[in-house]
Amino acid sequence: DGGITQSPKYLFRKEGQNVTLSCEQNLNHDAMYWYRQDPGQGLRLIYYSQIVNDFQKGDIAEGYSVSREKKESFPLTVTSAQKNPTAFYLCASSITRTETQYFGPGTRLLVL
Amino acid sequence: RKEVEQDPGPFNVPEGATVAFNCTYSNSASQSFFWYRQDCRKEPKLLMSVYSSGNEDGRFTAQLNRASQYISLLIRDSKLSDSATYLCVVNSRGAGGTSYGKLTFGQGTILTVHP
Repeated sequence: DGGITQSPKYLFRKEGQNVTLSCEQNLNHDAMYWYRQDPGQGLRLIYYSQIVNDFQKGDIAEGYSVSREKKESFPLTVTSAQKNPTAFYLCASSITRTETQYFGPGTRLLVL
Repeated sequence: RKEVEQDPGPFNVPEGATVAFNCTYSNSASQSFFWYRQDCRKEPKLLMSVYSSGNEDGRFTAQLNRASQYISLLIRDSKLSDSATYLCVVNSRGAGGTSYGKLTFGQGTILTVHP
């Protein structure tokens, strides 16, 4: 089955710790995106990538980093500089940057 | 002013009712428009794209008014399974007029359909 997978489903972070969220797609999509969702708010764009080895900051990139070494994978690292990391993180992909985006199941990050 | 604004609701309707959601957007250069559905603690899923001429998919009808920068979603004959949060989504151009597929999401409208 083609689709987007994210792992883990739940992730716990200790103070001062960096954590990495996985996002993989086998849809052969060029573009991939990371969003953050907080309760009662719309999704906000963290980073996006249009092609391998290229990525751009979104609206709330501070405290996050990404890489795009393979077309299928777009991991997100939440660094210790992100002071309020508790949220629902959603990865999405699209055929190209202007096409409809499809979402993975998400990762819930909680701070201990 | 938020880029995309929706009435958060919640809307509580009986089965079989007709319900309408409204959405306004502030960027007049917005290119494409969508309604996504999000179930509790799940990812958003595309419900339908919204076209200038209006479009229908079964019980769902979407309308776009570019002059008023207004989008609507009508659900007829509501089912219990329609209970979800409905997200109005706009694809806008980035800085300098480039389009990088930036989706701007409304905060969502909560719908509960009861027996």
